[in-house]
Amino acid sequence: KAGVTQTPRYLIKTRGQQVTLSCSPISGHRSVSWYQQTPGQGLQFLFEYFSETQRNKGNFPGRFSGRQFSNSRSEMNVSTLELGDSALYLCASSQSGIQETQYFGPGTRLLVL
Amino acid sequence: QKEVEQDPGPLSVPEGAIVSLNCTYSNSAFQYFMWYRQYSRKGPELLMYTYSSGNKEDGRFTAQVDKSSKYISLFIRDSQPSDSATYLCAIPNQAGTALIFGKGTTLSVSS
Repeated sequence: KAGVTQTPRYLIKTRGQQVTLSCSPISGHRSVSWYQQTPGQGLQFLFEYFSETQRNKGNFPGRFSGRQFSNSRSEMNVSTLELGDSALYLCASSQSGIQETQYFGPGTRLLVL
Repeated sequence: QKEVEQDPGPLSVPEGAIVSLNCTYSNSAFQYFMWYRQYSRKGPELLMYTYSSGNKEDGRFTAQVDKSSKYISLFIRDSQPSDSATYLCAIPNQAGTALIFGKGTTLSVSS
């Protein structure tokens, strides 16, 4: 089975711009979660989608949003980028939720200048 | 107090050493405990998943949970250079709605 894929792998943006990241989960997985990883804060949960619905949300501002499509692929959007949004954004999929094994993608490294 | 705390290291050991990685957590209601390994430029991968207090062994890896002390450990026996990575403890929150990660311990095993 193919693993979780994320595109693009690297991205450079400037402050104020917006960005969309994409995640394709493992076939058959319906839960997709997004995490932000920084050296200072570590891995922090952004949100989880299941069957096209946002089921859980972490403590991030409304500039961070996402969606899930009927084929379970998910996108994450960050609007009005700030320097502090520079991070590795990881997507993880599982069959049905957080308490199962999460399979992570390689991440998208975002640099905001 | 943070919900999950982990010493970030770095930790450097010679090949063959026994490695001990540790996390503490604050909420006694947490029930599931995980260890992930993350190689450079890769996403984390699940190493161990434990539920109850006590030890769980998988090859050279042993996960230990002490619920009375709210302390979890990962032991690596006969460490290898290929074990060089960042190790993250992770705990689902009480509601099961999010994974809370420790900040990770970076391990380097030299040959």
